[in-house]
Amino acid sequence: GQQVMQIPQYQHVQEGEDFTTYCNSSTTLSNIQWYKQRPGGHPVFLIQLVKSGEVKKQKRLTFQFGEAKKNSSLHITATQTTDVGTYFCAGRLQGAQKLVFGQGTRLTINP
Amino acid sequence: GAVVSQHPSWVICKSGTSVKIECRSLDFQATTMFWYRQFPKQSLMLMATSNEGSKATYEQGVEKDKFLINHASLTLSTLTVTSAHPEDSSFYICSARGGAYTGELFFGEGSRLTVL
Repeated sequence: GQQVMQIPQYQHVQEGEDFTTYCNSSTTLSNIQWYKQRPGGHPVFLIQLVKSGEVKKQKRLTFQFGEAKKNSSLHITATQTTDVGTYFCAGRLQGAQKLVFGQGTRLTINP
Repeated sequence: GAVVSQHPSWVICKSGTSVKIECRSLDFQATTMFWYRQFPKQSLMLMATSNEGSKATYEQGVEKDKFLINHASLTLSTLTVTSAHPEDSSFYICSARGGAYTGELFFGEGSRLTVL
């Protein structure tokens, strides 16, 4: 079945350092979404990428969708303690209803 | 953004009893709802897709007779864990999608089930 692999599983950084998480799908995706889940909370939608090679920015967050629409990345510049949480990518196949979630990357930050 | 309310947040039950979890979209009509299970520090495992007025579509390996899903209206879906056992203890989260077929998901707060 469709798989979405996400790395790394854990990342610990010093406040102010950059952070990147990567997602790779075994099949071409229709679109990919990113979610953030704070400790003890529920996932919250961050962004959706649809076009091949698309790059979107939200303040210190940069999201990329690969040319082949099989991989994606989330990069955070100059992390802050409020960035702590688990970041999930979720991919959707063409014509499919469901999203397949990656394993998530848990980000912890040393202030 | 849209609001999805999930109830109860916490539930403790005895082994062998059934537990019902509700998922409500408060300010939009949710044509499709999804139920997930999440183990500590792990990802969201999709259990089933629920479309209003029709039978739920279960993922491979999920027992439909054990995890009963009902989506009777555009604002309410329920998950009933029947004859619960300690291995069913987990964090269950619902999500809902309103209009656009490829739109974002709005998640409920989750329900933590502990079966004694």
